[in-house]
Amino acid sequence: QVQLVQSGAEVKKPGASVKVSCKTSGYTFNTYAMHWVRLAPGQGLEWMGWINGGTGNTKYSQKFQGRVTITRDISARTTYMELSSLRSEDTAVYYCARALGYCTTTSCYAEGGSLDYWGQGTLVTVSS
Amino acid sequence: QPVLTQPPSASASLGASITLTCTLSSGYSNYKVDWYQLRPGKGPRFVMRVDTGGIVGSKGDGIPDRFSVLGSGLNRYLTIKNIQEEDESDYHCGADHGSGSNIVYVFGAGTKVTVL
Repeated sequence: QVQLVQSGAEVKKPGASVKVSCKTSGYTFNTYAMHWVRLAPGQGLEWMGWINGGTGNTKYSQKFQGRVTITRDISARTTYMELSSLRSEDTAVYYCARALGYCTTTSCYAEGGSLDYWGQGTLVTVSS
Repeated sequence: QPVLTQPPSASASLGASITLTCTLSSGYSNYKVDWYQLRPGKGPRFVMRVDTGGIVGSKGDGIPDRFSVLGSGLNRYLTIKNIQEEDESDYHCGADHGSGSNIVYVFGAGTKVTVL
């Protein structure tokens, strides 16, 4: 079965960076895209970006552009999300989520569609 | 890109039915919307996708038959019949926008469901 297992909780100081991993199993890694989403206290889900598992192409939310980097290691079946210049407002649970993808009559898009499987979440706390 | 609007809270008595609404911003009436259940201590769970024709594709793993969806105009609905204590969660709607390398994803603010 499809499984996404994320790395453990992190505590960081303001200005530092954090790198969260998402190890996958149960499906062909390089035929799907992986999205990253966060949930801050008292807030709703917030989309951060995605990476195409096969091509390595990425797309980031404008809000995080310049601070977030999503990478993947095909051999390790793992996706990584690194967020830099951390501030207290970045305290949140970070999730990876696989995109189901979809096809139109002319093209298929691995990056789109429902986010059908999610990791368990990684709590990142930013505090001085 | 669309804006998705959800009421902040909803409640129903044990065994009753409840319908949650996700409203797309004007001009996006043809969009598909995904529903997600946020379970305390666990990752979100995909419930199902909906457009104006009803469910799109299949339900998420383990989603009971009590959960159903409908869509009309700018509204996308998630109905839970015979609501159980384990259904008490936050429910978020989301939608993808764009194509290819420009795809982005947006979420509503979520509705907190309380089972009385």
